[in-house]
Amino acid sequence: NAGVMQNPRHLVRRRGQEARLRCSPMKGHSHVYWYRQLPEEGLKFMVYLQKENIIDESGMPKERFSAEFPKEGPSILRIQQVVRGDSAAYFCASSPVRGAADGYTFGSGTRLTVV
Amino acid sequence: AQKVTQAQTEISVVEKEDVTLDCVYETRDTTYYLFWYKQPPSGELVFLIRRNSFDEQNEISGRYSWNFQKSTSSFNFTITASQVVDSAVYFCALSDNNAGNMLTFGGGTRLMVKP
Repeated sequence: NAGVMQNPRHLVRRRGQEARLRCSPMKGHSHVYWYRQLPEEGLKFMVYLQKENIIDESGMPKERFSAEFPKEGPSILRIQQVVRGDSAAYFCASSPVRGAADGYTFGSGTRLTVV
Repeated sequence: AQKVTQAQTEISVVEKEDVTLDCVYETRDTTYYLFWYKQPPSGELVFLIRRNSFDEQNEISGRYSWNFQKSTSSFNFTITASQVVDSAVYFCALSDNNAGNMLTFGGGTRLMVKP
């Protein structure tokens, strides 16, 4: 029973390029959450999605960032026109039920470096 | 609003010493959940414990123990007889009804255990 799978593990992009981060939740989990960890900081909530729906995007930057969780396939976090400040570790988590009360299972993260 | 404070940004101990990592939280809800995660140098997030607000019993798991005190809004984590493999960043996190979809993380405490 595979855990939460994120890929790529490391991603390097030049300023102005697009970054696509993928997350496959655990089997049977239909709730996906994205968090960002800036260097030397804790994790900050970005967005919560259920299949085909964005439930809570209160932590998403207003511009350049988008997320989706299609009916088929992984959840995608997309960052357009990346800037150096986007360099961070991006973690995905999944849960079988709504909310964080039971805790999540986190993936290993994608480390984005913008050069 | 929810807030988690880990005042110790970095702790260094010698192997076999006991060490306590502090966590203080703020929430207006009476129902909430507290968590500890470990982030080893490899970068993934490892779940350690979940506690609900109605259970103030201390918990022990091997060399790990947790002291939950509602009166001081603290959820401290103690490692007994520390080992080099305990070197990691440790995060305390909170989930409450007001922000049920997300975990609010503290800034983390970097623990270095020297041989």
